[in-house]
Amino acid sequence: KNEVEQSPQNLTAQEGEFITINCSYSVGISALHWLQQHPGGGIVSLFMLSSGKKKHGRLIATINIQEKHSSLHITASHPRDSAVYICAVRLLSSEKSSGDKLTFGTGTRLAVRP
Amino acid sequence: DTGVSQNPRHKITKRGQNVTFRCDPISEHNRLYWYRQTLGQGPEFLTYFQNEAQLEKSRLLSDRFSAERPKGSFSTLEIQRTEQGDSAMYLCASSLRLQGTPYNEQFFGPGTRLTVL
Repeated sequence: KNEVEQSPQNLTAQEGEFITINCSYSVGISALHWLQQHPGGGIVSLFMLSSGKKKHGRLIATINIQEKHSSLHITASHPRDSAVYICAVRLLSSEKSSGDKLTFGTGTRLAVRP
Repeated sequence: DTGVSQNPRHKITKRGQNVTFRCDPISEHNRLYWYRQTLGQGPEFLTYFQNEAQLEKSRLLSDRFSAERPKGSFSTLEIQRTEQGDSAMYLCASSLRLQGTPYNEQFFGPGTRLTVL
């Protein structure tokens, strides 16, 4: 079982719909990232969370440390939101190695149709 | 552009050839990470540097792989005797981590897509 699980793996939505992508992890973490990857490969960091909720434009990210769960919400979705969304965590165990390496989920492929 | 850059963006090679990729991190960042992403999967950690010191290597990094960061600035990742299984996107990321400060986010480069024929 992967340490970081995302759902759904694939998601198709109509423009304007509210979208939720989920991330669950099974280990202790010190931070969680939501990343966006467009075709061609480049990764953009959307949010870094260690608690609570963050909002940027139409994007909202929440995290529940006790339940080991995070969600990424997109309000009023648009075709330009079509991308792969990846959840990545910094494990608490990384602190022992003094590294900040990330452990990634497999991503959620989102397609927003006009 | 002051972000993380990687070169080349695409590399096609024949099995058995050696390839080298370069990553230029954000200039003041002291940590540099290499990740590998195969098709349909999330990235996986390969190795990281703090300044010029390579502090951790994944078991994914076989002896055909070597990474350097000679002056604590840019880094190179070399794969010797490439195999078809090496075909992947190789991603570089950098961050600034000072002693006693909280973890800072990593900034990713555009990646180098390697195809081994």
